[in-house]
Amino acid sequence: SQQGEEDPQALSIQEGENATMNCSYKTSINNLQWYRQNSGRGLVHLILIRSNEREKHSGRLRVTLDTSKKSSSLLITASRAADTASYFCATDGYSSASKIIFGSGTRLSIRP
Amino acid sequence: EAGVAQSPRYKIIEKRQSVAFWCNPISGHATLYWYQQILGQGPKLLIQFQNNGVVDDSQLPKDRFSAERLKGVDSTLKIQPAKLEDSAVYLCASSHGDRSTDTQYFGPGTRLTVL
Repeated sequence: SQQGEEDPQALSIQEGENATMNCSYKTSINNLQWYRQNSGRGLVHLILIRSNEREKHSGRLRVTLDTSKKSSSLLITASRAADTASYFCATDGYSSASKIIFGSGTRLSIRP
Repeated sequence: EAGVAQSPRYKIIEKRQSVAFWCNPISGHATLYWYQQILGQGPKLLIQFQNNGVVDDSQLPKDRFSAERLKGVDSTLKIQPAKLEDSAVYLCASSHGDRSTDTQYFGPGTRLTVL
């Protein structure tokens, strides 16, 4: 079963706009990760946020984590055509030190 | 640094046939993962190796799927016999350690179509 569920399933925005994707999960976690998948570069790790962190930045990416609501958001600022991809959140199984479980993803399309 | 290599990139077979996929992880990475990604879904872990030992194969359909990692480096995933619902992309990933915080690096995947 998949732990995280992304929302929306699909998102289409104009180049230069900001894109926000959300991830909700069901059980306690130690950390949450975001991955990007496109046809050119495959599945690539973007950022990891630990359960004791509330916000993290990496370039144009901003991730927030609200453990009380069991949710995370990924914000991409000043979107570019190259950001067109599917974005997945992945949560660790709290009782398992090693396994991560992927959500079903958000498909992001950037219109020129 | 070379990435995770997988072959073949595409495979089309008839149901009930057998198929095998190969993965070469990043040099020095002790942990190797095989995922199944069905169209429109996120990757689902099939099996995780730590060196040449199995850490987790709880979601591997063992009646038809098998995997091995000889000498703790390359790995093969086999399906025998294949079913229509096995049509998916099979992703191999590797990481330096075996913690969930260790970044996983993914290969390009093998797209399997079962007719």
